[in-house]
Amino acid sequence: DQQVKQNSPSLSVQEGRISILNCDYTNSMFDYFLWYKKYPAEGPTFLISISSIKDKNEDGRFTVFLNKSAKHLSLHIVPSQPGDSAVYFCAAMGVGGADGLTFGKGTHLIIQP
Amino acid sequence: KAGVTQTPRYLIKTRGQQVTLSCSPISGHRSVSWYQQTPGQGLQFLFEYFSETQRNKGNFPGRFSGRQFSNSRSEMNVSTLELGDSALYLCASSLRGIQETQYFGPGTRLLVL
Repeated sequence: DQQVKQNSPSLSVQEGRISILNCDYTNSMFDYFLWYKKYPAEGPTFLISISSIKDKNEDGRFTVFLNKSAKHLSLHIVPSQPGDSAVYFCAAMGVGGADGLTFGKGTHLIIQP
Repeated sequence: KAGVTQTPRYLIKTRGQQVTLSCSPISGHRSVSWYQQTPGQGLQFLFEYFSETQRNKGNFPGRFSGRQFSNSRSEMNVSTLELGDSALYLCASSLRGIQETQYFGPGTRLLVL
């Protein structure tokens, strides 16, 4: 049973526009959420995170929104740049991290010039 | 500061054999976590070590084990390899634990024939 779902395997966005990546979760015990970016042949790189006590966190071009009632989070990238082309993983963690990070299967973002 | 390193990068084994993978965390990081990535299941948490002790464990059989040394370097061992163990094995380190930002290594690609 997949507890973290990224329903779009891929997403194509024009350079300069907004990229919106979505993530849904089922486990109500998750209280910390993260986004990672992964280039081929490299490990995932931490991008941005959000605690369940917040509904928004911003870092430069990246903003993560959390809707706890809908068990949904999204990552907004504005403006999208060619270097943003990568696979993006949504991850979630419960209190204390006893079960480690639970990852979604990723969304491949392609930025078109 | 050097990143997380993993050796070897690629490995081919046959069913029934055992394998040991190595991970050197970022200097000063005491927490090391291991993850398995497969096309079907995505990224899954194996276990976390902190100060030479296993602190958290995912839902994997006992064939998967690990250890951590006093210098925080960690090894992961898989015994009696099965075809389904073919995967990318990722190691991540952080200062104090999974609750903090984890930094991933490039991974070890294991192929079981």
